[in-house]
Amino acid sequence: DTAVSQTPKYLVTQMGNDKSIKCEQNLGHDTMYWYKQDSKKFLKIMFSYNNKELIINETVPNRFSPKSPDKAHLNLHINSLELGDSAVYFCASSQQGPGELFFGEGSRLTVL
Amino acid sequence: KQEVTQIPAALSVPEGENLVLNCSFTDSAIYNLQWFRQDPGKGLTSLLLIQSSQREQTSGRLNASLDKSSGRSTLYIAASQPGDSATYLCAAPEGGANSKLTFGKGITLSVRP
Repeated sequence: DTAVSQTPKYLVTQMGNDKSIKCEQNLGHDTMYWYKQDSKKFLKIMFSYNNKELIINETVPNRFSPKSPDKAHLNLHINSLELGDSAVYFCASSQQGPGELFFGEGSRLTVL
Repeated sequence: KQEVTQIPAALSVPEGENLVLNCSFTDSAIYNLQWFRQDPGKGLTSLLLIQSSQREQTSGRLNASLDKSSGRSTLYIAASQPGDSATYLCAAPEGGANSKLTFGKGITLSVRP
């Protein structure tokens, strides 16, 4: 019974396309996050939502748009994909931050 | 702005050795500090969470300590096993209830049989 699940696990797409990654948590947490892990394995926060409200929005191109339909779901939509967007995107959740963080398995995005 | 440093970037030890992984942070007004493990191609697994009021936390062969005044945390692994081989990351928030976590770059541990 996966606590934080994200789909798809792998995405391969062409430059200029639009793609979405979905995330769901069944832990009853209030806060959800998107993190990006680049090719050098450095992990950096992109967005955080608390009870569907955006609370952290790092310096991320506006081609990236998160959406939280309810507190158990946080999706990430990326428009006009660029080569530099290739990375692993992790969803995570916690009780009202910064509580213990639980991560999904990651979605590996490759832009060709 | 919080900065988290983990040195060295990689470590190789023989099986059975006790070892210490270091983590330093610049902003000591932290709410808590977390240690994670990441296996290749996988997500991060939370190992230990130390609240700012605590000095250490233990889980099995793992013990994490926190010294806010010096801006340091250590993860002690007793009697290391090949299955402990992974990347270990520490993360500290910038302060405040809704603050973001800043991650170190991790220490890649290899335990040789």
